[in-house]
Amino acid sequence: DTGVSQDPRHKITKRGQNVTFRCDPISEHNRLYWYRQTLGQGPEFLTYFQNEAQLEKSRLLSDRFSAERPKGSFSTLEIQRTEQGDSAMYLCASSRADRNYGYTFGSGTRLTVV
Amino acid sequence: AQKVTQAQTEISVVEKEDVTLDCVYETRDTTYYLFWYKQPPSGELVFLIRRNSFDEQNEISGRYSWNFQKSTSSFNFTITASQVVDSAVYFCALSKAPGAGSYQLTFGKGTKLSVIP
Repeated sequence: DTGVSQDPRHKITKRGQNVTFRCDPISEHNRLYWYRQTLGQGPEFLTYFQNEAQLEKSRLLSDRFSAERPKGSFSTLEIQRTEQGDSAMYLCASSRADRNYGYTFGSGTRLTVV
Repeated sequence: AQKVTQAQTEISVVEKEDVTLDCVYETRDTTYYLFWYKQPPSGELVFLIRRNSFDEQNEISGRYSWNFQKSTSSFNFTITASQVVDSAVYFCALSKAPGAGSYQLTFGKGTKLSVIP
C-alpha cells in the first residue's frame, strides 16, 4: 500500500493556459474523489468516480474543468483556460466501495495561476 | 443542504495542556456520518474518526476523545496532554449515509492548532 499519489506536487501556470493533474489511487480502491481546497478553507467536493464511471459532480466543476478515469485506475483533472481564482490545492482521495467513507487522501497538487 | 461550522479559527496552547476543538453541524438527514481529519503542514488529510448518527457514545483513542451530542448538533474533539506533534489544522466533516446516492464530504473551515513547547 503506497498510498494515494498525486502529480505534480506544485504547478505554476499563466492565466489562460491549460493544466492537467494526475491521481493514482490505492490499487484496490475502486472509488476516487477530487476535492479543491483554497487557503484558509476546508476541502470542497468536486467529483467522484466509481471505477470508470463519474457518478457525482459538484456545481463547482464548471465547464472549464473535466475529470476522467479511463480504465478505472488513475484519474486526471484538467482545467482549461485557467483563471486566478483556480489557484488552490487539488486533493485526490480513494476508497473501497465496501468500506464506506474509508477515504485515503493524497498530498495534493498546489496550483498557482499567475 | 449540509453545513459544518468550526467557530475557532486558531487556537494556541502550551504543551501538556488539554484542548477542545468545537464542531457544529446542520443537516436535514436523519442518518448521517461525522468525521474529524488532521492536516499537518505536509498537506495530506489524515483520517481520525468516523461516527454515525445512531451512535452517540463518546469515544476515546489514546489522548484523543470525541463528544457527540445530537441534541446540540455538535461533535467536539478533545486532545488531552497536547504535544507539539499535534500542531496541525483539524477539520470536522459531514456526509450523507451510504445508499443516499452521495459520498461527498462537507468540511468545516478548520481550526489551526498550535502547540507551543
